[in-house]
Amino acid sequence: QVQLVESGPGLVKPSETLSLTCNVSGTSISSGGYYWSWIRQHPGKGLEWIGYIYYRGNTYYNPSLTSRVSISLDTSKNQFSLEVKSVTAADTAVYYCASCREVPAAAPFDFWGQGTLVTVSS
Amino acid sequence: DIQMTQSPSSLSASVGDRVTITCRASQRIGRLLNWYHHKPGEAPKLLIYGVSTLHSGVPSRFSGSGSGTDFTLTISSLQPEDFGTFYCQQSYSSSITFGQGTRLDIK
Repeated sequence: QVQLVESGPGLVKPSETLSLTCNVSGTSISSGGYYWSWIRQHPGKGLEWIGYIYYRGNTYYNPSLTSRVSISLDTSKNQFSLEVKSVTAADTAVYYCASCREVPAAAPFDFWGQGTLVTVSS
Repeated sequence: DIQMTQSPSSLSASVGDRVTITCRASQRIGRLLNWYHHKPGEAPKLLIYGVSTLHSGVPSRFSGSGSGTDFTLTISSLQPEDFGTFYCQQSYSSSITFGQGTRLDIK
């Protein structure tokens, strides 16, 4: 079973870059079959897909965030990372990493990390 | 973006009740529809994928149906542990979207 654990600073200053890492165990992120994903939940709100990266490095981002977001793989550490540039208070949220199965076609997010709260404040 | 609209936004039901949550897509999405259950402080959990296939370990009281634009999640006999928020999610578009959520409270 795939397990995911998010890590990173819980507090980021406005205009700076938010950086999070997701450590994966139970499978190799370079073995294929998954899109490695980031999803967030603003306080009291629903889930928002941020983007994902395929094991070959192809990335797909939410159009509303694509100018500020970057997702990358580190296969040597079996982890993937998220960067959100020029953050504002609107980026305050719980950030989840998740595995998104390539097959079946519905591509569900089948395993999730516990989530990490990131607050943007000076 | 494909908009996903769930109804109701919240509901309260008793143990043993049959509960139905609907999800409507702003355009046809075939069968590329998944459902999740999210309890406060926990990671969301996949319940159903591809409209009606139960994820491994999910109790059989959960079921899903629908196609095109209208989908339904049904809990046949509500259990105390079913409280929380349920989300639908479409993967038809390369820009993935979730419904706004349906909060379920146990009376």
